[in-house]
Amino acid sequence: EAGVVQSPRYKIIEKKQPVAFWCNPISGHNTLYWYRQNLGQGPELLIRYENEEAVDDSQLPKDRFSAERLKGVDSTLKIQPAELGDSAVYLCASSFDGGRIYGYTFGSGTRLTVV
Amino acid sequence: AQTVTQSQPEMSVQEAETVTLSCTYDTSESDYYLFWYKQPPSRQMILVIRQEAYKQQNATENRFSVNFQKAAKSFSLKISDSQLGDAAMYFCAYRSALADMRFGAGTRLTVKP
Repeated sequence: EAGVVQSPRYKIIEKKQPVAFWCNPISGHNTLYWYRQNLGQGPELLIRYENEEAVDDSQLPKDRFSAERLKGVDSTLKIQPAELGDSAVYLCASSFDGGRIYGYTFGSGTRLTVV
Repeated sequence: AQTVTQSQPEMSVQEAETVTLSCTYDTSESDYYLFWYKQPPSRQMILVIRQEAYKQQNATENRFSVNFQKAAKSFSLKISDSQLGDAAMYFCAYRSALADMRFGAGTRLTVKP
């Protein structure tokens, strides 16, 4: 079984440019999460989807960040325009039981560098 | 709000020895789940072990075990017979019906040959 797939693995962009990250969760996992992990810190939740509905986006900076999960499967996270402080690893995860019992399955993340 | 604290930014252990990583959390909930994740340089978070709060018995997975002290809100990870492949960042995490998974700041484990 394929795990959570993310692309690209690395991205370097200039500030004020747009950037997008893609995530394909494990088949059958109805819950999808986007986390941001700053250097030397633990991941912090940006948004959670139940199927195609965003049910918790309270930590998503909505002035520049947007996300979508069409058809309740793949998801895209976008930043426009990017700022220097957005440099981080963006992790996608999925779960089928809300993660309360079996935890989340994570992808390998996208390392974003804004210069 | 639920918070997770890992007070050891770095730990080191000699190969084949035992090491314990500390984690404390703060919550007013009674039903929750605790996890330890390993993050190697590949960046993928790998689930090491999990514990249901309503279970008194400490979870074990091969060389990994936890010491869960519910009253003290403590959840430490013990790695026995440490191997070079255990070197990684380790994150303690909390999950409940009211809170999505929250992580501590992590502990970097170095294994010395």
